[in-house]
Amino acid sequence: TQLLEQSPQFLSIQEGENLTVYCNSSSVFSSLQWYRQEPGEGPVLLVTVVTGGEVKKLKRLTFQFGDARKDSSLHITAAQPGDTGLYLCAENPNDYKLSFGAGTTVTVRA
Amino acid sequence: SQTIHQWPATLVQPVGSPLSLECTVEGTSNPNLYWYRQAAGRGLQLLFYSVGIGQISSEVPQNLSASRPQDRQFILSSKKLLLSDSGFYLCAWATGTGYTEAFFGQGTRLTVV
Repeated sequence: TQLLEQSPQFLSIQEGENLTVYCNSSSVFSSLQWYRQEPGEGPVLLVTVVTGGEVKKLKRLTFQFGDARKDSSLHITAAQPGDTGLYLCAENPNDYKLSFGAGTTVTVRA
Repeated sequence: SQTIHQWPATLVQPVGSPLSLECTVEGTSNPNLYWYRQAAGRGLQLLFYSVGIGQISSEVPQNLSASRPQDRQFILSSKKLLLSDSGFYLCAWATGTGYTEAFFGQGTRLTVV
């Protein structure tokens, strides 16, 4: 079973600072998704990366997929309190399953 | 557009009582359906997934079961709840073609007392 490791587990920063969270695996990802979850709600899909070396941008969020497709990062520029949440990476070990990492809890202080 | 409904939002049940959580999807046909459980502030543990009516795959041996009586209906059940069944339960659907992107319901906060 492929394990997804996310780091750090917790991250607390001041508004306006930058942050990066990571997702790693011992095996190659077929594809990888990033989700954000706010307390008491379900996760919401942010992006899917498929190709090694791929970079996708979503406003102040930049997602990078490693060349070997075994790691991914999410970088937030000039973080805002609205970016607070649990960031989860997920991958498909087969066509049906969707497995999640343990997540990184991000707190942006005003 | 597709929507997913999950209820109830919160539930407090005594140990030993039965459980039934329901999830329905609208606006799509033959979705893959999923039940996850989440501990506070942590990742999602996949409990069951289904690729069609009556087809259930169980990921973790436990006190729970799942059923899919209709194409867009997914039910999570237990005959006798344990304290350890407490948690945040999430239903999700995905298209099942290409790579899987999941769309989640609002979740059910279950407290077993």
